Amino acid sequence: EAGVAQSPRYKIIEKRQSVAFWCNPISGHATLYWYQQILGQGPKLLIQFQNNGVVDDSQLPKDRFSAERLKGVDSTLKIQPAKLEDSAVYLCASSLGTGAEAFFGQGTRLTVV
Amino acid sequence: GDSVTQMEGPVTLSEEAFLTINCTYTATGYPSLFWYVQYPGEGLQLLLKATKADDKGSNKGFEATYRKETTSFHLEKGSVQVSDSAVYFCALSGIAGRRALTFGSGTRLQVQP
Repeated sequence: EAGVAQSPRYKIIEKRQSVAFWCNPISGHATLYWYQQILGQGPKLLIQFQNNGVVDDSQLPKDRFSAERLKGVDSTLKIQPAKLEDSAVYLCASSLGTGAEAFFGQGTRLTVV
Repeated sequence: GDSVTQMEGPVTLSEEAFLTINCTYTATGYPSLFWYVQYPGEGLQLLLKATKADDKGSNKGFEATYRKETTSFHLEKGSVQVSDSAVYFCALSGIAGRRALTFGSGTRLQVQP
């Protein structure tokens, strides 16, 4: 069974530039999560989707971050404009539903210089 | 809000030593509790879980018991191996597991031969 796919694996951008990350969840998984993991910290939830609807985006900095999940499958997370403190690993995870085991992708490591 | 506190690392042990990584939590209601592991160069993967008080989760020789009275979920293994070297994250899912995961900051374990 294919796992959660994310791209790119690495990205380096200058501050004030924009960047987008892509996630393809496991087939059939209705719930999709984006997490931010700053070096030395645990992952922090940014946004949770159930199919193509947002369940929780309370910790998403909406002035610069946006996310969408068209057709309830793939998802993109965008940062515009990026700040130095956005340097982190961005993890995508999916599960059959809320409460089911979450499977994580390998993440995208973003460096903002 | 929900939170997880786990012991700081790194934890350095010799092969076959006994391992304990402490984890305590704060949550409203009755959360589900998890341990995730991140091996070098790999994504987060579920190690074990417990969904109600006094449940014991176990996998690959690791165990953790859900202690509601002490709000704890300590990870233990009787005899660690070099291959157990990784970062371990304690996490909870609030409202009986129906919310997204809240993670601790992670504990790095280094096992020396």
